[in-house]
Amino acid sequence: DTGVSQDPRHKITKRGQNVTFRCDPISEHNRLYWYRQTLGQGPEFLTYFQNEAQLEKSRLLSDRFSAERPKGSFSTLEIQRTEQGDSAMYLCASSAAGGYSGNTIYFGEGSWLTVV
Amino acid sequence: AQKVTQAQTEISVVEKEDVTLDCVYETRDTTYYLFWYKQPPSGELVFLIRRNSFDEQNEISGRYSWNFQKSTSSFNFTITASQVVDSAVYFCALSDPNTGNQFYFGTGTSLTVIP
Repeated sequence: DTGVSQDPRHKITKRGQNVTFRCDPISEHNRLYWYRQTLGQGPEFLTYFQNEAQLEKSRLLSDRFSAERPKGSFSTLEIQRTEQGDSAMYLCASSAAGGYSGNTIYFGEGSWLTVV
Repeated sequence: AQKVTQAQTEISVVEKEDVTLDCVYETRDTTYYLFWYKQPPSGELVFLIRRNSFDEQNEISGRYSWNFQKSTSSFNFTITASQVVDSAVYFCALSDPNTGNQFYFGTGTSLTVIP
């Protein structure tokens, strides 16, 4: 039983470059989430997919951020024209289907982004 | 508005001591879920427990126990006979069905267990 996997685990990029992170959820989970975590803070919600549909987006998700989940399997999070303020850990999580938001979400190990 | 407060930023204890991590939450809704996650240095958030708002029964799992009190909006976590492997950052989180599928996390409590 594999958990949520994320790639790459670490990325250093120059300001202004684009970066893309990939997330593979737990296989039977149809819900996928992206969170961002900065040092000393708890994770902050960015966006959520149910199957291939992106159902919610946080105000934190500026126009430079785009997330996709083609075919309802893996997901990608792209950040265009990176800024130093984008430096953070980007966490992916998944959960099983359910009629309410109480389903437990399981996190990956995160992708660390450093913008220099 | 939904909010989770973990007032303890850092705690240090000597191995085998008991330690309680505090969590206070705010929500206007009667149906919600509370969670605790552990984040070791590797970065992965590990699920520990989920509790719904209608179940105030305390829970014990090995050395871990949780005390949920709606009257004080608290969901505290106690580790008994702490071990070095318990060293991590612990997050309390709130999930509210009325705000979709967002989880609201506290700022975390960094626990260091000294051998």
